[in-house]
Amino acid sequence: EAGVTQFPSHSVIEKGQTVTLRCDPISGHDNLYWYRRVMGKEIKFLLHFVKESKQDESGMPNNRFLAERTGGTYSTLKVQPAELEDSGVYFCASSQGFQPQHFGDGTRLSIL
Amino acid sequence: AQSVTQLGSHVSVSEGALVLLRCNYSSSVPPYLFWYVQYPNQGLQLLLKYTSAATLVKGINGFEAEFKKSETSFHLTKPSAHMSDAAEYFCAVRSNAGGTSYGKLTFGQGTILTVHP
Repeated sequence: EAGVTQFPSHSVIEKGQTVTLRCDPISGHDNLYWYRRVMGKEIKFLLHFVKESKQDESGMPNNRFLAERTGGTYSTLKVQPAELEDSGVYFCASSQGFQPQHFGDGTRLSIL
Repeated sequence: AQSVTQLGSHVSVSEGALVLLRCNYSSSVPPYLFWYVQYPNQGLQLLLKYTSAATLVKGINGFEAEFKKSETSFHLTKPSAHMSDAAEYFCAVRSNAGGTSYGKLTFGQGTILTVHP
């Protein structure tokens, strides 16, 4: 079975620009999570979808971040406008029920 | 609120030596605990999980961890290190209580394991 796929693997943009990250979960997984690791810090939770609904978005840093999961399949995370402190590695994970989460390889985002 | 502390951001061992990576957690309810490993340029891979069954949990690649409630610990061990074990290791906790935040993982800071020949 295909794993969690994230695109792009790397993105370099300038401050003030917009970037959209995409995550394709494992087929059939209702739960989809976004996490972020800023350099030198721990991996932190951003939000959790159950199918197309936002179950928990308590970790979203501010309103410059917008996550969607239309149709309950893939998800996008848009940052607009990007700021320097948004740099880091963004991980997506998916799971079915209470099973452990499977992670993608991450998107490394660099804001210049 | 839950939290995880990994003691030691870097651990270095010789090939064939014991690996011990420390993890202490804080949780107001019985937790689910996980160890993940990240190899360079890859995502996080599940090593093992504790979900309130046996306190000694065996995982992949010869790793195991023991849940000790009295010490709030979930240390990861491997009897004999191999060069291929060099990676970053993350301990994580997930609440098994209800509520909107039931699914999220809270991670420790990560421990980079270096294995010397």
